Amino acid sequence: SYELTQPLSVSVALGQTARITCGGNNIGSENVHWYQQKPGQAPVLVIYRNSNRPSGIPERFSGSNSGNTATLTISRAQAGDEADYYCQVWDSNTAGALFGGGTKLTVL
Amino acid sequence: QVTLRESGPVLVKPTETLTLTCTVSGFSLSNAKMGVSWIRQPPGKALEWLAHIFSNDEKSYSTSLKSRLTISKDTSKSQVVLTMTNMDPVETATYYCARLNWFSGNYLDYWGQGTLVTVSS
Repeated sequence: SYELTQPLSVSVALGQTARITCGGNNIGSENVHWYQQKPGQAPVLVIYRNSNRPSGIPERFSGSNSGNTATLTISRAQAGDEADYYCQVWDSNTAGALFGGGTKLTVL
Repeated sequence: QVTLRESGPVLVKPTETLTLTCTVSGFSLSNAKMGVSWIRQPPGKALEWLAHIFSNDEKSYSTSLKSRLTISKDTSKSQVVLTMTNMDPVETATYYCARLNWFSGNYLDYWGQGTLVTVSS
């Protein structure tokens, strides 16, 4: 079965750039979506179809996807960006959503 | 605006059946470009997709839970119902419903606030 691999944690200094990866076999051929989840809150879509930002999501959030790795990039990281981030693809075998294990972003 | 709201019991006993309702507004369950999914998250753990249903009543279930899940909808009431039989304590989790935008790429663009379900005797 298809699996998505994310690092458990990523740290970034305030104002610097954070990169969160999502690994999967030939994931570059898939549409990857990213969600931000702050403690006690529901997930929020921050990137859809690899690199598109929903309305209201800051331009500091961007995405890319190639080969075996998709990447969520957060520029000029702020304290308010501290959250868990999840990648998601559509699993055609199960006809359902498949999530990565999540990455906790810490802003130092 | 689009909103989803989950409702159901906060506590169920082991072996009981859990029934959750998702009430949506701001879009119609007859919208051919959208569906509704259920996702759960045990405390401190990752998201797990459970099931979804589309406007044409097509359904899909998690492979590992398929035998225990049933999803249905009442378009006139704007509600999607998920039932899960034979609940176990390890299934204590926050259960979310979310709108699935399948037309634009199978992503979950709006989520409910979630409902915490505890499975305990």
